[in-house]
Amino acid sequence: QKEVEQDPGPLSVPEGAIVSLNCTYSNSAFQYFMWYRQYSRKGPELLMYTYSSGNKEDGRFTAQVDKSSKYISLFIRDSQPSDSATYLCAISKAAGNKLTFGGGTRVLVKP
Amino acid sequence: DAGVTQSPTHLIKTRGQQVTLRCSPKSGHDTVSWYQQALGQGPQFIFQYYEEEERQRGNFPDRFSGHQFPNYSSELNVNALLLGDSALYLCASSSSQGPVPRAQYFGPGTRLLVL
Repeated sequence: QKEVEQDPGPLSVPEGAIVSLNCTYSNSAFQYFMWYRQYSRKGPELLMYTYSSGNKEDGRFTAQVDKSSKYISLFIRDSQPSDSATYLCAISKAAGNKLTFGGGTRVLVKP
Repeated sequence: DAGVTQSPTHLIKTRGQQVTLRCSPKSGHDTVSWYQQALGQGPQFIFQYYEEEERQRGNFPDRFSGHQFPNYSSELNVNALLLGDSALYLCASSSSQGPVPRAQYFGPGTRLLVL
């Protein structure tokens, strides 16, 4: 069983829709949760991070963590074609330690 | 403020050869991590360097080795290249003194093709 599971998609939505992404993890030792966005043939770009259960909002992005269910989510409001990319969840057991990534979800936002 | 830089951007090698990839961390960062990303997959952790020492290592063979220099830049070396080593190699930097979670910031990667 992989430590982090993520639906590969692709997830296709119309412009302006809410994009909902999620990951599940297996080990309760993971304490830090990050979301990265990766455009084709580019390096991952950090979008958000959190280390507590609950919601964290930053502009159009909301990250949600449920440690009891080992479930993390990312919501993108008012999606734009420029949001079309692969979204990667990443988790770690300690601050600054190695990241364990999900396989990524490819998102397509259609004009 | 320059972000993480990597060189070269692309590289083609043949099986059995050796390769060296280079990384300069983001200004103010002292920790460098290396990841391998195969096509269509998430990055896999190779190792992390801090204070010129390998601090953590993922599940990669000894053919993969690294180095960190006093200016915090880093190299990844891969010996006896295999076809399966073809991937995007990503460098990430972070600060050991930064606020929790000491997030890692990635460079653009080096795309290695082994023929």
